[in-house]
Amino acid sequence: QKEVEQNSGPLSVPEGAIASLNCTYSDRGSQSFFWYRQYSGKSPELIMFIYSNGDKEDGRFTAQLNKASQYVSLLIRDSQPSDSATYLCAVKGRNTGTASKLTFGTGTRLQVTL
Amino acid sequence: GAGVSQSPSNKVTEKGKDVELRCDPISGHTALYWYRQSLGQGLEFLIYFQGNSAPDKSGLPSDRFSAERTGGSVSTLTIQRTQQEDSAVYLCASSLGGGNSPLHFGNGTRLTVT
Repeated sequence: QKEVEQNSGPLSVPEGAIASLNCTYSDRGSQSFFWYRQYSGKSPELIMFIYSNGDKEDGRFTAQLNKASQYVSLLIRDSQPSDSATYLCAVKGRNTGTASKLTFGTGTRLQVTL
Repeated sequence: GAGVSQSPSNKVTEKGKDVELRCDPISGHTALYWYRQSLGQGLEFLIYFQGNSAPDKSGLPSDRFSAERTGGSVSTLTIQRTQQEDSAVYLCASSLGGGNSPLHFGNGTRLTVT
């Protein structure tokens, strides 16, 4: 079982619709959860992070975390063609002293169609 | 500069040669990560430095790979006796090191082994 799993997609949604991106993780002790966006040929950039159960909203983006189900999702409202990219889920494991690496999923490619 | 700086941006080398990749993190960031991304793939964790703690080397794929971080700042990733399967984009990231601190990525070094 992979530590962080995502559907590779592509996920295709029409402009203006809600895109729902999902991620599951295997380490029940994981502490923090991040969503990164990566455009083709570019480096990942942070969209948002979440560490408490429930929803966290930032503009058109909402992250949802359910630790009991080991599940984190990202919702993008009013999807725009500029949102077309690969979305990477990243999970920070339980701390061992001060060291705690960030493990990435393989990413979901989102296509927003006109 | 204000961001994570990596050099060179591109490196073409012959199979069997050694290469050194450099990362200059954001000033004040105590955590530094190296990841590798092959074409169309996710981010593969290589190594993680946090302050003066022993680095987490659990992701290094073989003993041909090594990394050091001098003075808690600049890091060098060395690949000895390069192989064609080492061809990838090598990404460096830094963060403040806290549990929720996001990673800031450099633009990467694209390594091609011929």
